[in-house]
Amino acid sequence: DGGITQSPKYLFRKEGQNVTLSCEQNLNHDAMYWYRQDPGQGLRLIYYSQIVNDFQKGDIAEGYSVSREKKESFPLTVTSAQKNPTAFYLCASSMDHYNEQFFGPGTRLTVL
Amino acid sequence: KNEVEQSPQNLTAQEGEFITINCSYSVGISALHWLQQHPGGGIVSLFMLSSGKKKHGRLIATINIQEKHSSLHITASHPRDSAVYICAVSRNYGGSQGNLIFGKGTKLSVKP
Repeated sequence: DGGITQSPKYLFRKEGQNVTLSCEQNLNHDAMYWYRQDPGQGLRLIYYSQIVNDFQKGDIAEGYSVSREKKESFPLTVTSAQKNPTAFYLCASSMDHYNEQFFGPGTRLTVL
Repeated sequence: KNEVEQSPQNLTAQEGEFITINCSYSVGISALHWLQQHPGGGIVSLFMLSSGKKKHGRLIATINIQEKHSSLHITASHPRDSAVYICAVSRNYGGSQGNLIFGKGTKLSVKP
């Protein structure tokens, strides 16, 4: 089955720790995205990548880092510099940057 | 003022009712997206449109580019339609061209 997978579904971390969220797609899509969702707010773009080995900052990139070494994978690291990391994180992909996006199931990160 | 506004924020309907959710935007766009988010958090793309009207099953999406307004209609609503419906637009200008701007969502509850 083609799709996007994110792991883990729930993640707990202590303050001061870095954590990496996984996102994998087998749709052969060039573009991939990371969004953050907070209660009562619309999704906000953290980082996106239009092609392998290239990525751009979104609206709220501070405290986050990404890599795009393979077409299928776009991991997001939440660093200790992110002041309020508790949120629901969604990964998405699309054929190109101007097409319909397909979303993964999300990872709920809680900082204790 | 948010660049994408949805109304209503919350909507309760009886099974079988015709439902309309509205989306207004204030920026130049290349396309408008309607998304559905179920209680578990996963998001599904319903429509991507840049003009006119699209229909899929009991769902109809329309857009008026001149008025910067879109509507999502659900005919013969059913409890399984209960979800959050999200409007998003693709910017058509500047360095963020193609990036999505999201509304805060409309929470729909359909009672049997």
